[in-house]
Amino acid sequence: EIVLTQSPDFQSVTPEEKVTITCRASQIIGSSLHWYQQKPGQSPKLLIKYASQSISGVPSRFSGSGSGTDFTLTINSLDAEDAATYYCHQSDSFPFTFGGGTKVEIK
Amino acid sequence: QITLKESGPTLVKPTETLTVTCSFSGFSLSTGGVGVGWIRQPPGKALEWLTLIYWNDDKRYSPSLKTRLTITKDTSKNQVVLTMTNMDPVDTGTYYCAHVSGYYFDYWGQGTLVTVSS
Repeated sequence: EIVLTQSPDFQSVTPEEKVTITCRASQIIGSSLHWYQQKPGQSPKLLIKYASQSISGVPSRFSGSGSGTDFTLTINSLDAEDAATYYCHQSDSFPFTFGGGTKVEIK
Repeated sequence: QITLKESGPTLVKPTETLTVTCSFSGFSLSTGGVGVGWIRQPPGKALEWLTLIYWNDDKRYSPSLKTRLTITKDTSKNQVVLTMTNMDPVDTGTYYCAHVSGYYFDYWGQGTLVTVSS
């Protein structure tokens, strides 16, 4: 089973600041890594697919990068509505796995 | 417009079997490349993938839960059913179904909270 380790677990950020969240896979997964945003009381929402591919309707301040074992989700110029927990997910092999999540709080 | 909605009991007793139904619209499970998956989330914890079924009836299960899970589809009713046997309090959480486009979850249901308690 591929383990995904996210860091940090928690981040408190000022609006307009840049946020960087990392996800490290326990083995090489190519670009089979996806990012989701989950706001309190809501279902997860797909933000980025295949490491860096954008999703229609998702603000352009969200971007992804990486391949192999190390991946990054970047939020440029954080908005108050971005307060949420962010999860990575690998689909390189079954069983699918998720990272432990990174909670982003707005200062 | 793709939508999914989970339905089932909110409370089950330990050792009982949970049956949750995902009713969907806006897509067909007979279309190539399409699937429906189940993901759960204990209160305050991370997401955990459980199982998924593809248009061709290919089924995948979490190895740690494989002996307890069954996923089935009814293409004519646009439904996918998850059953989980021998429920335990640690199985308490929100159960989500999601549309699978190849290998990622692009549409999610609202989730259904299941509590396991006697």
